[in-house]
Order: sequence, then structure tokens, then C-alpha cells
Amino acid sequence: GAVVSQHPSWVICKSGTSVKIECRSLDFQATTMFWYRQFPKQSLMLMATSNEGSKATYEQGVEKDKFLINHASLTLSTLTVTSAHPEDSSFYICSARGTREPYEQYFGPGTRLTVT
Amino acid sequence: GQNIDQPTEMTATEGAIVQINCTYQTSGFNGLFWYQQHAGEAPTFLSYNVLDGLEEKGRFSSFLSRSKGYSYLLLKELQMKDSASYLCAPMDSNYQLIWGAGTKLIIKP
Repeated sequence: GAVVSQHPSWVICKSGTSVKIECRSLDFQATTMFWYRQFPKQSLMLMATSNEGSKATYEQGVEKDKFLINHASLTLSTLTVTSAHPEDSSFYICSARGTREPYEQYFGPGTRLTVT
Repeated sequence: GQNIDQPTEMTATEGAIVQINCTYQTSGFNGLFWYQQHAGEAPTFLSYNVLDGLEEKGRFSSFLSRSKGYSYLLLKELQMKDSASYLCAPMDSNYQLIWGAGTKLIIKP
């Protein structure tokens, strides 16, 4: 099956610094990737849809200047949390959409971000 | 608007059967996915239904009624490792998955 990796799996950073999270599709080309955030005991919240070679589409309420998304190739999308604050601490999960119906989303293992 | 409704939490006994219901409203419909999510981990794919009826896959089965906007996930011969959240996610006309809060399933010995 399709495999999606995410790196790092966990990161601790100081308030005010930036953190980059990578999402890679290992055995297929993904024109569309998704970035989610999940707080404890809450549902997945879609942050943005990332399309290769174009600007990401952000969901309402998500600051595009704070959460920078780059989808430079068919196998890599990155999320950079800029000027991180403690309230950005969360579980960030990426997924890559399959290229054939039913266009299933394959999830990465997630990145746990803690901002101190 | 788009909406998903699932029970927040369910409890079942090891070895038993449990059915998790889901009702949904979406803008267009391109099938419905069920995912399993263990605490602290990413979701993993369980099943996909696009036509009405029952899809069986080992201990797990999923049912869909498009006219009723209804689906259920049936888990048989429950094991302790089945304790997890189960997410019902219909796909809208833009092939976007719509996520609800999921159902937390607790398995007791």
C-alpha cells in the first residue's frame, strides 16, 4: 500500500522560533496533500490543502503567514510553523491523496509539536 | 452545510459485537470512509463504501445507505486492541473528506 512518512515525529522548540515539518509520499506521486491539526480528544481539523506547484488553500481561520506550506515536488510537502507559541502545541498530521478513485487519503504518522 | 453525527463514546466487551452508527450531510457525495485512530497516532484506513450495501472485510464490515445519509461500522469478535476512535468520513463533490469528532470505543475484558 501507499506509504507516507513525516519528519520529525516529535519536536520541542522555544517560543518565537520556527519549526519545519516534512511530509513525503514514498512510493507514489501525490499531487495533493493535506495538513491537519489535532488537539487532545478532539477531531481532525483540516488546516490546508497543498497542491504541487501552486499555492496552498487554507481553511477559514488558519493564518497562512504563520503556517507556511510548500509543495515543491510530487513527493514532498512541508509545513513551517513560524514564530511558534505555546498554543501552537499540537499533533500535526499530513496525508497524501491517492491518484486513482476512490482517491483515498494516506496518512503520515504525525508530528507532535511542543512549544515551551 | 456539511455535518457528521456519531456517538461520542461506546463501551463493549471483549469477544462481543459492536455497531457504530454515522449519519452525514455533505455537498455532493463520492463515497464514505471509515478510519481507525489509536490515541496519539494517525488514522488508518478501514473501509470504503460508495454503493449501498454491506462491505465485509474480516472482522470489520461497513454498511451504507446513500438515500438515508447513513452508514455503520460493525466490529465482530472484539479484541482489546480494537480500543480506539473510529472516524466516519464522507467525501464531498470536491473529493474532500469531511471529518467528525469520531467515536471513542472502549473495550472491557
